[in-house]
This record gives sequence, C-alpha cells and structure tokens, in this order.
Amino acid sequence: NAGVTQTPKFQVLKTGQSMTLQCAQDMNHNSMYWYRQDPGMGLRLIYYSASEGTTDKGEVPNGYNVSRLNKREFSLRLESAAPSQTSVYFCASRRDRGNNNEQFFGPGTRLTVL
Amino acid sequence: AQTVTQSQPEMSVQEAETVTLSCTYDTSESDYYLFWYKQPPSRQMILVIRQEAYKQQNATENRFSVNFQKAAKSFSLKISDSQLGDAAMYFCAYKWGGADGLTFGKGTHLIIQP
Repeated sequence: NAGVTQTPKFQVLKTGQSMTLQCAQDMNHNSMYWYRQDPGMGLRLIYYSASEGTTDKGEVPNGYNVSRLNKREFSLRLESAAPSQTSVYFCASRRDRGNNNEQFFGPGTRLTVL
Repeated sequence: AQTVTQSQPEMSVQEAETVTLSCTYDTSESDYYLFWYKQPPSRQMILVIRQEAYKQQNATENRFSVNFQKAAKSFSLKISDSQLGDAAMYFCAYKWGGADGLTFGKGTHLIIQP
C-alpha cells in the first residue's frame, strides 16, 4: 500500500516547455487534488476531481490543465511553463466528499522553470 | 473568501517544554472543519489533528491538543513535552462543508532546542 505517489520528484524546465506531473493513489479514493506550495505560503488548490470523470478549478488554475485518467490517476499538465510556475506541487486524495475524510498527500514534486 | 492567518512565522521551544501555535480564520460559514498539518523537511504533509466546528469539545491526540474558540474564530495547537521530532513547519487549514479543497495558512516554523 503505497498511498499517494507522484512522479517525478524533481524537474527543471525552460520557459515555454511543457510537461505533465503524474499522480496515482492506491486507496480506492474518489476525490483527488493538486496543490502548489510557494516559499512563505501555504498550499493553494489548483484543480480537483471530486470523482472519476469530473474536474473543477481551484484557487489558482491559470496555466494548468488536468486529466482524471481513471479512478487511480490524476495528472497535471503545464502546456507552456513560466518562471511563475516554479513551485512544489502536491497531489492529494480523499475517500469521498464527506467532510470528515482525511486528505492524504503525496511526497511532492519540486519544479523549477528557468 | 475564507482566509487562514498564522501570525507566528517562527517559534522556538526547549525540548520537553510546551508550545502553542496560533491560528485564526475568517468565515461566514457555520459548518466547517479545521486541521493542523505537520510538514517536516521531507516535505511530506502529515495530519496532526482535526476539529469539527459543531463539536464544543477540543480535539486531543496524545501530546497534541487544540484550543478551539469558535466565537473568536481561533484554533491554536498546543504541543506538550516537545520532542526533537516535532521540529517542522506547521500549517493550519480550513474546510467548509460545501468545499472540496483545503485553505491553508502560511505556516509556522517550529524549532526544538535540545
């Protein structure tokens, strides 16, 4: 039982390059999330997927797209990376939208855009 | 919009002593949930404790307890018998009943002095 896994752990991009961050969970959770964490800031929600086949914008969605590939996997894509997207990205999952369900976080991906 | 404020960027405490981390939040909702997360240098987000707003009793998890003052919109975390392994960033987070993601404060860096 690996929980929430993210790949890659580190990535360096040049401005304008594209890439996809991968996230998978093996807990049979319905809801999945992408957050970003910038220095001196808490985590901010980028996109979420309440269930397979649905996605919704969070607080800071500009410059990102997401795909809920299946129940296990939720990817985050940067089509044209910008230095402002330099951040640590966390994926999380939760059993369902029930309020008392804990969010489980992955280990994070540190992305640098030059 | 809901906001979470952690007014202490950094706190320091002697090993075995007690420390309290502050958190205030702003909301017009009546149904919400509050959380404290720990983020050690490994970056992994770990749930420490949670509190349902409808519960008057303060949550407790071993050495960790909260002081939840609903009228004052305050949610502080008390760590008793501090240990070296408690050194980390601590984030206060809020979720209202109709939302999916969490709203985080900017964090408090806790240093444990041996």
